[in-house]
Amino acid sequence: GDSVTQMEGPVTLSEEAFLTINCTYTATGYPSLFWYVQYPGEGLQLLLKATKADDKGSNKGFEATYRKETTSFHLEKGSVQVSDSAVYFCALLIQGAQKLVFGQGTRLTINP
Amino acid sequence: DAEITQSPRHKITETGRQVTLACHQTWNHNNMFWYRQDLGHGLRLIHYSYGVQDTNKGEVSDGYSVSRSNTEDLPLTLESAASSQTSVYFCASSKPGASYNEQFFGPGTRLTVL
Repeated sequence: GDSVTQMEGPVTLSEEAFLTINCTYTATGYPSLFWYVQYPGEGLQLLLKATKADDKGSNKGFEATYRKETTSFHLEKGSVQVSDSAVYFCALLIQGAQKLVFGQGTRLTINP
Repeated sequence: DAEITQSPRHKITETGRQVTLACHQTWNHNNMFWYRQDLGHGLRLIHYSYGVQDTNKGEVSDGYSVSRSNTEDLPLTLESAASSQTSVYFCASSKPGASYNEQFFGPGTRLTVL
């Protein structure tokens, strides 16, 4: 079945460090890919998305590129801030379906 | 502004009791979803609906039910609460036909079953 695997957390970095959170997927069709972010005590918010191979999603300094050849959608940011501390979820949506499949989430903590 | 709300935000109940969690959205979205969030499992789909009178089971539907009598609401009922249903529950909605079907999430309900 369709699935998403994220790197295990928690991840702890210092402010201004480079961030990578790995995400790989398994899907029978041609999925759209998403990163959602959950700040403490809140629901999930869409961070960025990509709908086809080689698309790059970007928002708030975060980027992720849809790599069909490696079935990956790794999240990156060049210089993290304390305010980026949150839980990050990678997710896929199969074309034609309307349900999301989520990874297990990665908790990120940024220290000043 | 359009939004999606959940109530209550926190609930403590006892094993065996029936519990209903409310979800209300004002976007007029046809699609609505219920997820539970547990450590190590991410979000898992409980039930979903594509419109009024339509309901479907997700991957962890045992012990839960939903009904859709209007576009705005999708209440989630735990027929006989069990300790294994202690979790954080999120409701979401989306508009069908969008190229990427972005889902919008509510703030969550933390349920504790004693």
